[in-house]
Amino acid sequence: QKEVEQNSGPLSVPEGAIASLNCTYSDRVSQSFFWYRQYSGKSPELIMSIYSNGDKEDGRFTAQLNKASQYVSLLIRDSQPSDSATYLCAVSGGSYIPTFGRGTSLIVHP
Amino acid sequence: NAGVTQTPKFRILKIGQSMTLQCTQDMNHNYMYWYRQDPGMGLKLIYYSVGAGITDKGEVPNGYNVSRSTTEDFPLRLELAAPSQTSVYFCASSYDGLAGGNEQFFGPGTRLTVL
Repeated sequence: QKEVEQNSGPLSVPEGAIASLNCTYSDRVSQSFFWYRQYSGKSPELIMSIYSNGDKEDGRFTAQLNKASQYVSLLIRDSQPSDSATYLCAVSGGSYIPTFGRGTSLIVHP
Repeated sequence: NAGVTQTPKFRILKIGQSMTLQCTQDMNHNYMYWYRQDPGMGLKLIYYSVGAGITDKGEVPNGYNVSRSTTEDFPLRLELAAPSQTSVYFCASSYDGLAGGNEQFFGPGTRLTVL
């Protein structure tokens, strides 16, 4: 059973702070890693994808991947109230079909 | 491009009724997926397809059926609806399953209630 684990939160951070979201996975042959953002009542939308060890930056978002330790994280710099949402981690391996975590709820308060 | 579209947006069914949730994508994606999401939970894969004519079961396929006669369409059929099927259903698509090509694009969802 492939598992993707996330802390359900909520993670509460003040506006302007760095939000750090973490995800661990069980399948060692995983190759593709994704972070999706889901606003309440809406569908998930892709924020970041990462395939190699290290950091990948896109604007205020940085994804970090460590395959040896089997974790992937998402950093959100200069957090804004509009970042308040649930963040879903998804991992896919040899079957190419992603497995989703339950998501972490992020609240950015003014 | 419209992306991934789903109909209907909302539906209320009585126990034992049947219905088809429609999903269409216009991005020429090979892979298509059906998920359900219960409150406070992540996405559970129901069925997926890697191309026209090819479908396979996901994590929670019981009570559902799918078909994939064209690249664009991937309908989900509910037979004999049960209260346990009350959920939000998302359809998604991706170009392929390889690293770098399997970012998923989601439809707006169908909110189904079975009473």
